[in-house]
Amino acid sequence: DQQVKQNSPSLSVQEGRISILNCDYTNSMFDYFLWYKKYPAEGPTFLISISSIKDKNEDGRFTVFLNKSAKHLSLHIVPSQPGDSAVYFCAAKVPGTASKLTFGTGTRLQVTL
Amino acid sequence: DTAVSQTPKYLVTQMGNDKSIKCEQNLGHDTMYWYKQDSKKFLKIMFSYNNKELIINETVPNRFSPKSPDKAHLNLHINSLELGDSAVYFCASSPGTGYTDTQYFGPGTRLTVL
Repeated sequence: DQQVKQNSPSLSVQEGRISILNCDYTNSMFDYFLWYKKYPAEGPTFLISISSIKDKNEDGRFTVFLNKSAKHLSLHIVPSQPGDSAVYFCAAKVPGTASKLTFGTGTRLQVTL
Repeated sequence: DTAVSQTPKYLVTQMGNDKSIKCEQNLGHDTMYWYKQDSKKFLKIMFSYNNKELIINETVPNRFSPKSPDKAHLNLHINSLELGDSAVYFCASSPGTGYTDTQYFGPGTRLTVL
């Protein structure tokens, strides 16, 4: 039972344009959400997070939006750069579960010149 | 000065063998994790230790046994390897089990069972 879903396995965006990566979840107990970025042959690295008490969190070119009623979050990257080409994982936590992260299957972003 | 390191990076072995993967973190963190990424790229937690104590133990075959000799190390031993154990195994660490504590991942160990 996959509780965190990223339905787009891949996305291609031109340099300078906006990249929008989507994530849906089914477990209403999730209340903290994270995005990780992964380059080939490396481990995932933390990018940005959002608590369920917020609907938006911004960090430089990266913004995460949370729509709790729709159980949906998205990551916006503006402007996209070639170095952003990577696999992006959405992850979620249930409070009181000792930091257990539940990950989605990832979306491969390719930023083209 | 890698923050979270794993050895080996690649491991190729025959079915039925026993193997270990080692993980070390030099971040001074209290909590460490093992994740498995299968062929479908699904990254799933297996175990977590906090201050050398097991706190997360997901539904994993008991052929998998984690061992934490100290807070900086979390090793994964796998007995009687099976074809389905082929995957990339990631170690991670975090300052603690706090709500917003970020997990830092190692580079992964690609295990191939023949």
